[in-house]
Amino acid sequence: KQEVTQIPAALSVPEGENLVLNCSFTDSAIYNLQWFRQDPGKGLTSLLLIQSSQREQTSGRLNASLDKSSGRSTLYIAASQPGDSATYLCAVRVTGNQFYFGTGTSLTVIP
Amino acid sequence: DTAVSQTPKYLVTQMGNDKSIKCEQNLGHDTMYWYKQDSKKFLKIMFSYNNKELIINETVPNRFSPKSPDKAHLNLHINSLELGDSAVYFCASSQAHEQFFGPGTRLTVL
Repeated sequence: KQEVTQIPAALSVPEGENLVLNCSFTDSAIYNLQWFRQDPGKGLTSLLLIQSSQREQTSGRLNASLDKSSGRSTLYIAASQPGDSATYLCAVRVTGNQFYFGTGTSLTVIP
Repeated sequence: DTAVSQTPKYLVTQMGNDKSIKCEQNLGHDTMYWYKQDSKKFLKIMFSYNNKELIINETVPNRFSPKSPDKAHLNLHINSLELGDSAVYFCASSQAHEQFFGPGTRLTVL
């Protein structure tokens, strides 16, 4: 069964710093990997979607990479801002429209 | 326009009651989901429907019964609510690739 882990569980950085969030999955047979952001008391907002054939995707200050063979993905956030403070979740899609979520990284960007 | 909507946003009820949560998506997606997010913020899939047919049913107590009257709606009915059912329930939809989530329903069982 697929297991998805995110490290670190929590991260606190000063504004302006570049940072990397990590996502690991145990079974490399995935269709895609999606990064989400969740603000307190809110739903999930999709940030980036990487298909299994892709190596990376970029959107603004965000860059997500995927190394399927090693079961890893990273989310790079450049020039962090206080508004980036949220919980970041990764999810992998496997056969049968099944999605497995990671445990999340709680990010705090200090002004 | 709200892509995936859920009602109610908050639900507080007594143990033993029966309650329903409604979900609607206007994205034209074929697949809809229900997830449960526990107090540690871990998201776990409960059900998945594709074109009104159940395709995923994780190990969820049979007190939980999803109902899909049409492709755009997936409702969740819960019988005989228990304290452990307290959580945030998220509805989502997808069309093969990307998932889109509703705002969540916070259920509190007293």
